[in-house]
Amino acid sequence: SYELTQPPSVSVSPGQTARITCSGDALPKQYAYWYQQKPGQAPVLVIYKDSERPSGIPERFSGSSSGTTVTLTISGVQAEDEADYYCLSADSSGTYGVFGGGTKLTVL
Amino acid sequence: EVQLVQSGAEVKKPGESLRISCKGSGYSFTSYWISWVRQMPGKGLEWMGRIDPSDSYTNYSPSFQGHVTISADKSISTAYLQWSSLKASDTAMYYCARQGYCSGGSCYSLGYWGQGTLVTVSS
Repeated sequence: SYELTQPPSVSVSPGQTARITCSGDALPKQYAYWYQQKPGQAPVLVIYKDSERPSGIPERFSGSSSGTTVTLTISGVQAEDEADYYCLSADSSGTYGVFGGGTKLTVL
Repeated sequence: EVQLVQSGAEVKKPGESLRISCKGSGYSFTSYWISWVRQMPGKGLEWMGRIDPSDSYTNYSPSFQGHVTISADKSISTAYLQWSSLKASDTAMYYCARQGYCSGGSCYSLGYWGQGTLVTVSS
């Protein structure tokens, strides 16, 4: 079945830019969505439809898409951004959803 | 205010059946699909399936097809996830989530989440 691939971990210092990638063959056809999850909490949507930001999400969160890879960029990372990040998209026919394996963002 | 309130934690034995629930409020229940997401202890998120509450049409991940059943009762704005025979490997936190910022079959934007239901299966 369909898979999305994310790096297991990304580390950055406060104020730097973090980039988290998500790769999948159907990404040129299907939108990607990004979720932030902190320990003990339900996930929160931070980017929808590749690059749109929900209300209440800081402007430092942005998304982009290029071919079979989508990228979540966090500019000026803050300590509070330390969390697990997951991409979600659909298979090529749009029939079912798939999460990437998740990326643990560590703020050094 | 949109809310999804899930049923409480469950402790069951292998082979038992179970149905957990997710009650929506603060919006038109039939206007947005609801997905179910599994998170096993210390692991990542897994999309299980979803339902269109307006007509109970469902999609399942191939990984979960045949292992769980998703249903909804629009008269009480509640979606369900059920198992006919639990296994120890079903031990996990289960979240329901509603579409947000888009709707319909092509939308996988989960803008609103329930608080999660912890299911523990142990003999």
